[in-house]
Amino acid sequence: GAVVSQHPSWVICKSGTSVKIECRSLDFQATTMFWYRQFPKQSLMLMATSNEGSKATYEQGVEKDKFLINHASLTLSTLTVTSAHPEDSSFYICSALGLAVTDTQYFGPGTRLTVL
Amino acid sequence: AQTVTQSQPEMSVQEAETVTLSCTYDTSESDYYLFWYKQPPSRQMILVIRQEAYKQQNATENRFSVNFQKAAKSFSLKISDSQLGDAAMYFCAYNPGQGGSEKLVFGKGTKLTVNP
Repeated sequence: GAVVSQHPSWVICKSGTSVKIECRSLDFQATTMFWYRQFPKQSLMLMATSNEGSKATYEQGVEKDKFLINHASLTLSTLTVTSAHPEDSSFYICSALGLAVTDTQYFGPGTRLTVL
Repeated sequence: AQTVTQSQPEMSVQEAETVTLSCTYDTSESDYYLFWYKQPPSRQMILVIRQEAYKQQNATENRFSVNFQKAAKSFSLKISDSQLGDAAMYFCAYNPGQGGSEKLVFGKGTKLTVNP
């Protein structure tokens, strides 16, 4: 139980284009999902908290117009990196909080984004 | 602000031996949750163990157990009978729980190497 998927697992795009990453809770409903960014050999950095049916809450220093988050249903949240640049290249990870067990985050497998 | 400190950037252990990873945290809350997550080379974050602060009994999951010292704000992870598959980055994390933001505060991680 508590499986979270991400799609795609990796993506390469040209500078200036937009990329959408999907995060799905497969066997549970998630009212809250989180998006993280992880640089090599570092810990996870929280970017934003996504609640179903409402606007995402962004952490300080994260550009909300660049990293668009939509949590349209209890099983799907999307992160769109708009007008991507090479400095946006990173590993992006989502996690989900279940309705039943709300204190434990379950993580997706991550998406490696490379912007050329 | 809550902080999580993992003082051991790297640890190594012989296969079948026991190893303990350290974690301390700072909080003024009395009720919260603590976690250990494992991130193998695949970079999938895997929940290892979860501890509720109001429970005095230390959590155990098969070969993994914790030593939770609430007064000392210490939450160490013991891995018994270490296996090659235990090699990974291990992250200690804190969650303020009910009434909090449900955000996870991560430590910087400990890289565990298991030697055959």
